[in-house]
This record gives sequence, structure tokens and C-alpha cells, in this order.
Amino acid sequence: KAGVTQTPRYLIKTRGQQVTLSCSPISGHRSVSWYQQTPGQGLQFLFEYFSETQRNKGNFPGRFSGRQFSNSRSEMNVSTLELGDSALYLCASSWTQQVHEGEQYFGPGTRLTVT
Amino acid sequence: QKEVEQDPGPLSVPEGAIVSLNCTYSNSAFQYFMWYRQYSRKGPELLMYTYSSGNKEDGRFTAQVDKSSKYISLFIRDSQPSDSATYLCAMRRSSNTGKLIFGQGTTLQVKP
Repeated sequence: KAGVTQTPRYLIKTRGQQVTLSCSPISGHRSVSWYQQTPGQGLQFLFEYFSETQRNKGNFPGRFSGRQFSNSRSEMNVSTLELGDSALYLCASSWTQQVHEGEQYFGPGTRLTVT
Repeated sequence: QKEVEQDPGPLSVPEGAIVSLNCTYSNSAFQYFMWYRQYSRKGPELLMYTYSSGNKEDGRFTAQVDKSSKYISLFIRDSQPSDSATYLCAMRRSSNTGKLIFGQGTTLQVKP
């Protein structure tokens, strides 16, 4: 079974631009979560989508947004990029949100560099 | 104070040693506990997934959860150079299934 895929793998953007990252979950998985990883802050939760609805949101500014499509694929968007947005953006998928289930499997990440 | 504390290391051990990695947490609502391994420039790989207190073993890996002490551990037996990576603990509440709270990660080096 194919794992979580993320595109693109690398991005270089300029301050003030916007960027869209894409995530395809493991086949059959319905929940997609996004995380930001930086050397200083580690892995931080951005948001989670399940059945095209945002179920949870982390403490990030409104410049960070996302959505999920009917096939469970998800995108996240960052508008008005800042230097501090340079990070590895990770997507994780899981099967369901039922109790005792929900192991999250991560993709390889998209490395975003803002100059 | 962070919700999850993890010593970043680095931790260096000889091949064949038993490795002990630990995390402490402050939120008693956490019910699910995970350990991930992350190689440089890769995404985290799920190693162990446990619910509530107790032990779980999978090959050379053993995960322990002590909810009374708010303390979780990962033991690696017969460590190999290929185990050299960053190990991240993560946890979540039962009612908040998608949101994982991570420790900072411990960098492990296993020397041949």
C-alpha cells in the first residue's frame, strides 16, 4: 500500500508570496493532519481535516489555512509568507477518528524556504 | 512550560547497548502515546502506539507508559548503527484524536 505523499518536496518562495502544499493520504484514510517542524519549535500541530471538515486547529495565524477534498486529499495554503515560515511541513493521515484507532502516518514533508 | 518534555541529547551509545529514551508530560488528559523515529530529511516513522498505562513490545523495541508519574519510555535492545536517528515522543487526548503533541526529540547515535 502506498504511503502518504506530499508535493512538492522542496519550495523556495519570497517574502510576501503565497504557497500551496498538497498531501495525498494513504488509501482509505479519512483524516489528514498538518504539522510544521522547525529546529527551534519542533513539531507543531497546524490543523486536522476529516470528511472535508476542519476538526481541530492549532495556534497559528490565519495566514495558514487548509482544506480537504472528497477523495481525502488535502491542501494547505500559507499567504503573505514571512521568513519565519521556513520549515518542514508534514502531513499525516489516519484511518478514522474513532477511539482506540487513529495511528498517524507521516509523509516525507515539503521543505519550504522563504527568502 | 511545555506540555511534553524530552531531553534533546545527543545520546551516543556503542553498538549492542540498551537505549532508554524518555518523556514527561504535564496534561493528565493524554491517553494515547506514540514513539516516532525520524531520519535526517525524512518524515517521522511510527514505531510504537500505546493506549493508557502499561508495556508494549515489538521486536527490539519496548514502550512503557506510567500515567501515575506522567512518564513514558522507549527501550531499544541490541542497538544498531541503523537506529541512529531522532526519536520523538507524541501523545494525544482521547477526544482530540487528530492533534498530536510532540516532544522536542532525542538525537541518538549508535557507534559501530
